Amino acid sequence: DVKVTQSSRYLVKRTGEKVFLECVQDMDHENMFWYRQDPGLGLRLIYFSYDVKMKEKGDIPEGYSVSREKKERFSLILESASTNQTSMYLCASSSDRAGGYTFGSGTRLTVV
Amino acid sequence: GNSVTQMEGPVTLSEEAFLTINCTYTATGYPSLFWYVQYPGEGLQLLLKATKADDKGSNKGFEATYRKETTSFHLEKGSVQVSDSAVYFCALSPQGYKLSFGAGTTVTVRA
Repeated sequence: DVKVTQSSRYLVKRTGEKVFLECVQDMDHENMFWYRQDPGLGLRLIYFSYDVKMKEKGDIPEGYSVSREKKERFSLILESASTNQTSMYLCASSSDRAGGYTFGSGTRLTVV
Repeated sequence: GNSVTQMEGPVTLSEEAFLTINCTYTATGYPSLFWYVQYPGEGLQLLLKATKADDKGSNKGFEATYRKETTSFHLEKGSVQVSDSAVYFCALSPQGYKLSFGAGTTVTVRA
């Protein structure tokens, strides 16, 4: 069964910490995405990547960065975590330009 | 710009009731349209999709038809079950990538 795996289901971090959220896919997909999901706001795109070492900003990139050193791995980095970054983070991948994303199970991050 | 507007929830139904979730979109060109479902505690799963006008996507008893004239992609199921309780997201992909999502509709089905 094809998978997108996010390293943690739940994380609690302190304000100001540097936080790494890891995502790995085993489908050889070129495209990978990071979204955050908040009640009443739906899903918002943070960053995406079409290829190794390539990244593009989504709709809400402020306070975040990403890294894609290998095709299967796409990391989201919170340089200095803040309480307004408490959210559910969803990673997704796709292999074609017609959509049909495969999502991971999500990481619920709480910043205290 | 590209956007999706879907019916606000929450929606509460009894088992075997008919479900409709309205979704309309704004986009340039000819986007692909999707419905995703998120069960409690899980990530999103692709439920169905349609890539051109008049296409009908279907899966697990759910259906949606791509209506270009009304810019709509309404989700329907004739007889819901408790296991259909979830959050449903409408989404569009104007150029085949970078999906834009609606806000989601929470559906609760009672036995």
